[in-house]
Amino acid sequence: GAGVSQSPSNKVTEKGKDVELRCDPISGHTALYWYRQSLGQGLEFLIYFQGNSAPDKSGLPSDRFSAERTGGSVSTLTIQRTQQEDSAVYLCASSSSPPGSGNTIYFGEGSWLTVV
Amino acid sequence: GQQLNQSPQSMFIQEGEDVSMNCTSSSIFNTWLWYKQEPGEGPVLLIALYKAGELTSNGRLTAQFGITRKDSFLNISASIPSDVGIYFCAGQLGAQKLVFGQGTRLTINP
Repeated sequence: GAGVSQSPSNKVTEKGKDVELRCDPISGHTALYWYRQSLGQGLEFLIYFQGNSAPDKSGLPSDRFSAERTGGSVSTLTIQRTQQEDSAVYLCASSSSPPGSGNTIYFGEGSWLTVV
Repeated sequence: GQQLNQSPQSMFIQEGEDVSMNCTSSSIFNTWLWYKQEPGEGPVLLIALYKAGELTSNGRLTAQFGITRKDSFLNISASIPSDVGIYFCAGQLGAQKLVFGQGTRLTINP
C-alpha cells in the first residue's frame, strides 16, 4: 500500500523473550520515527532516523531497546528480554527529507505488544 | 521525555457544541501539527502549520500557530459524534524529532 506499514499488528510474548517489530515507511521518505503509546497515554518518543545522519536515540528507555534502519528504508525495533511494562502500542511514522514545510508526517497503525 | 503541555486532558460535550484545545511549550517550534487518533488506529494528520501566526481551516476544524511559536490551538465547530477520539498536538523544530502533547480525549453526548 501507499502508507506506512507495520508488522506484526499484534504480538503476545512471554516475559524475557525478545521481540522484533518492523516498519516499512512510505516510499521515498527518509525520515523515520518510532513512538510508544501505553494504554490511554500520549506518544512517547523512542528513536528518530533522518537520512544518513546518526539516529537520535535519546528516547530509548533502556539498553534492552534498539533499532536499526537498513538501506535507508525498512526499520526494525528490537526489544530484548521483554518486561510487562513494555506492553504498549509501538507506532512508526515517516516523512520526506528534510521534515518541514510541506513534508507532513504519516503514522502506521501500530504494533500492539502484550508481554505476559 | 520532552512533551508539550496540552489541555484540557479530556472534554465531555454535547453534540453541536464547539470545542477548543491548546498546546504550549517552553521552547519554540517551526512546525505545529494536529492529529486525531481513534481506537485501534494510528494518529491521522488533521492540520499542519508552518508559519508563526498562521491560521488554517480544514472543514469544521481551525488551528493557529501562535505568534510566539510556543503555542497552538485547535477548534472544532458544531461537533458531531464522529469527532470522538483523542487529539494530539505535535511540534517540531527544523529536522529535530517530533514532540507530542499528552492528548485531549473528546467525548460527545448525542
